[in-house]
Amino acid sequence: SQQGEEDPQALSIQEGENATMNCSYKTSINNLQWYRQNSGRGLVHLILIRSNEREKHSGRLRVTLDTSKKSSSLLITASRAADTASYFCATALDLNAGGTSYGKLTFGQGTILTVHP
Amino acid sequence: GAGVSQSPSNKVTEKGKDVELRCDPISGHTALYWYRQSLGQGLEFLIYFQGNSAPDKSGLPSDRFSAERTGGSVSTLTIQRTQQEDSAVYLCASSLARDTSPNQPQHFGDGTRLSIL
Repeated sequence: SQQGEEDPQALSIQEGENATMNCSYKTSINNLQWYRQNSGRGLVHLILIRSNEREKHSGRLRVTLDTSKKSSSLLITASRAADTASYFCATALDLNAGGTSYGKLTFGQGTILTVHP
Repeated sequence: GAGVSQSPSNKVTEKGKDVELRCDPISGHTALYWYRQSLGQGLEFLIYFQGNSAPDKSGLPSDRFSAERTGGSVSTLTIQRTQQEDSAVYLCASSLARDTSPNQPQHFGDGTRLSIL
């Protein structure tokens, strides 16, 4: 089952506007990651925020994390038509199996962002 | 290669046939993951490899699904006696081992779009 829930499910904006997507989750996490997926392509990692961080920036991206509310938001500023894609949050939980530790990702349902030129 | 490579990119087959999907991870990435992406279920974890062993197979939906990895590199996901509900995009991802590099993002291939007639 999907841990993350994202809203909105779809977002349509004009170029130059900001886009905000939200993600909520249910269990403890080690980190939270945001990925982008263009139609027919794989997922591209955008940004990772650790559970002890509250805010992180990368270029036009700003991610916040509120572990008390179990929620995160992704803000894309000054959006471009090329930002049109689906955006997924993924929570990572450290697990141990077979003598190794790994970060198991659980994805939200995604937000479809359309940026009109 | 520079990224994760998956083949074939598209596969159409008849119900009841077996299919093999291939994933070639980024060189040096010891961790490899398979996911399934379908309209109704979103992105689901299938299996995790560390080297050639699979310590977490918890996401494989039935015993018709199996996967192996050889030489710590290429992985094959096999679906036997395919059913229509197996239609989905199968994504592979790789990353550095968490033990050596915590909080690593996963790097995804473009997936195999599987259609069962």
